Amino acid sequence: EVQLVESGGGLVQPGGSLRLSCAASGFTFSSYWMHWVRQAPGKGLVWVSRINTDGSSTTYADSVKGRFTISRDNAKNTLYLQMDSLRAEDTAVYYCARYRSGTYHDYWGQGTLVTVSS
Amino acid sequence: QSALTQPASVSGSPGQSITISCTGTSSDVGSYNYVSWYQQHPGKAPKLMIYEVSNRPSGVSNRFSGSKSGNTASLTISGLQAEDEAYYYCSSYTSSSSVVFGGGTKLTVL
Repeated sequence: EVQLVESGGGLVQPGGSLRLSCAASGFTFSSYWMHWVRQAPGKGLVWVSRINTDGSSTTYADSVKGRFTISRDNAKNTLYLQMDSLRAEDTAVYYCARYRSGTYHDYWGQGTLVTVSS
Repeated sequence: QSALTQPASVSGSPGQSITISCTGTSSDVGSYNYVSWYQQHPGKAPKLMIYEVSNRPSGVSNRFSGSKSGNTASLTISGLQAEDEAYYYCSSYTSSSSVVFGGGTKLTVL
């Protein structure tokens, strides 16, 4: 059974940093591109970032470019999102998702809440 | 990258059919058959309902169908059931090698 479990969310002050993790199981993690998607409270889904299978290629939404870094450890079956210079508008539930065939997200984690507030 | 445009809400009675539209541009929906649709119940993770415009994953009811014409994709739900009440999001691959979602549509089953 495919499982994605996010962790690392919490309350952080503006300007602070946080690292999210997504532990994958039930599939060959190293064979899939992975994405982060976020959802602000009461709002819609917003794509954040993606990473290819070996971590050599990454892409970011303009809103997080230069502040967030996506990475992965295929030996540990884990996806990461390092978030620096956090702003109030980064407050959201962050989901990791498996990206299938370069076209769609077929499995999602349960999400982890990040709150940026003083 | 601007969000794809979806109606904020749609509604229908049990047994009826509804259609949710998703309008993009020639840089996303219009150029690729990589449109997907997701269902999200409150407090839950999104669930894939349609991929590559019109394909249904295993386990998804055949009451759900998708199509595309030009820059607009559509999700149709036939034989509405109470459990279909949820938010629905469309998504597309883009020419900048990113992904864009729609703003979401709240489906109310009357």
